[in-house]
Amino acid sequence: DGGITQSPKYLFRKEGQNVTLSCEQNLNHDAMYWYRQDPGQGLRLIYYSQIVNDFQKGDIAEGYSVSREKKESFPLTVTSAQKNPTAFYLCASSGRPNEKLFFGSGTQLSVL
Amino acid sequence: GIQVEQSPPDLILQEGANSTLRCNFSDSVNNLQWFHQNPWGQLINLFYIPSGTKQNGRLSATTVATERYSLLYISSSQTTDSGVYFCAVHLSKRNSGNTPLVFGKGTRLSVIA
Repeated sequence: DGGITQSPKYLFRKEGQNVTLSCEQNLNHDAMYWYRQDPGQGLRLIYYSQIVNDFQKGDIAEGYSVSREKKESFPLTVTSAQKNPTAFYLCASSGRPNEKLFFGSGTQLSVL
Repeated sequence: GIQVEQSPPDLILQEGANSTLRCNFSDSVNNLQWFHQNPWGQLINLFYIPSGTKQNGRLSATTVATERYSLLYISSSQTTDSGVYFCAVHLSKRNSGNTPLVFGKGTRLSVIA
């Protein structure tokens, strides 16, 4: 069953803690993306990767980090430098950057 | 950068009614997509429509790239159509490279039984 899997569905972060959100796809897509969505708002781009071992900052990259060591995986780390991390995080992928975009089911991150 | 404006921001419909959602963009694009986000947060790609008209069941979309707008039509609306509808575009300028899609702020649709 092809798709994009995000885990966990819910995540809680303590002050000063780094947390990592997982995103795995088995669609053989080259491009992967991370978006942040705040309540009642649109999607803002955090990071994207068009190929393995390469990634680019999006509009709100500060306080976040990513890696792309495998084509299937694009984990997002929310660092302690991100002072307002509570949000809904969405991972997406496309075959190539301008092709049809598909989304995972999201991770809700909250601060304890 | 490119501006993407969606209207209306909010829409309430009686079940069975028809509606039209609009997406205006400020520059030439080579790629436009419509998405539906359900109340549980899942985003589904409805249309990949850089130009022309496409239909999928009760939904159809039209993009007039030369006039920089796209329309999403929902006919005979159902409560399951509720959620937020986003359009997203990609610039067609030579120096845009492979920059990602730019999203509008969405139209929140509530369909009441």
